[in-house]
Amino acid sequence: GDSVTQMEGPVTLSEEAFLTINCTYTATGYPSLFWYVQYPGEGLQLLLKATKADDKGSNKGFEATYRKETTSFHLEKGSVQVSDSAVYFCALSTGSARQLTFGSGTQLTVLP
Amino acid sequence: NAGVTQTPKFQVLKTGQSMTLQCAQDMNHNSMYWYRQDPGMGLRLIYYSASEGTTDKGEVPNGYNVSRLNKREFSLRLESAAPSQTSVYFCASSEQGLYNEQFFGPGTRLTVL
Repeated sequence: GDSVTQMEGPVTLSEEAFLTINCTYTATGYPSLFWYVQYPGEGLQLLLKATKADDKGSNKGFEATYRKETTSFHLEKGSVQVSDSAVYFCALSTGSARQLTFGSGTQLTVLP
Repeated sequence: NAGVTQTPKFQVLKTGQSMTLQCAQDMNHNSMYWYRQDPGMGLRLIYYSASEGTTDKGEVPNGYNVSRLNKREFSLRLESAAPSQTSVYFCASSEQGLYNEQFFGPGTRLTVL
């Protein structure tokens, strides 16, 4: 079945550091790929998405590129802020109802 | 426009008790979903409803039932709660379509003693 493997956390960075969170996937067909973010005590929010190979999703300074050859969708940000502290989930969407399959999540803490 | 709302926010049950988690969305979405979130395991799909009048099992349906009451509401029922059902439950909705994002509610934190 479909699966998503995420870099294990937690990840702790200083403000303005470069961020990479690795994500690889296994899926039949051609999935859409997503990064969701969960701030403390809240539900998940879509951060960015990519729907076909070589697409780059971007939002709020975060980027991820859909790499079909390496089945990866790594999340990057050039300069993190304290406000980026959250849990980040990589996910893929397949099936007729487009249900999501999530990775285990990566806790990011950014220190001032 | 409240988005996706869930009630209750918190609940403590004893083993064997039953309860229903409520979810409603005001975005006129066709599809709705129930997930559970456990530490280190991400979110796992319990049940989903691709459209009004239909429901299907997800990855972890055992011990749960759902009702798609109308287009807005999708409830999750635990008939006989077990400690293994201690979790945070999220409801989500989306418009049907290949690339449409899911919108999540704030979650219900359930503890079964």
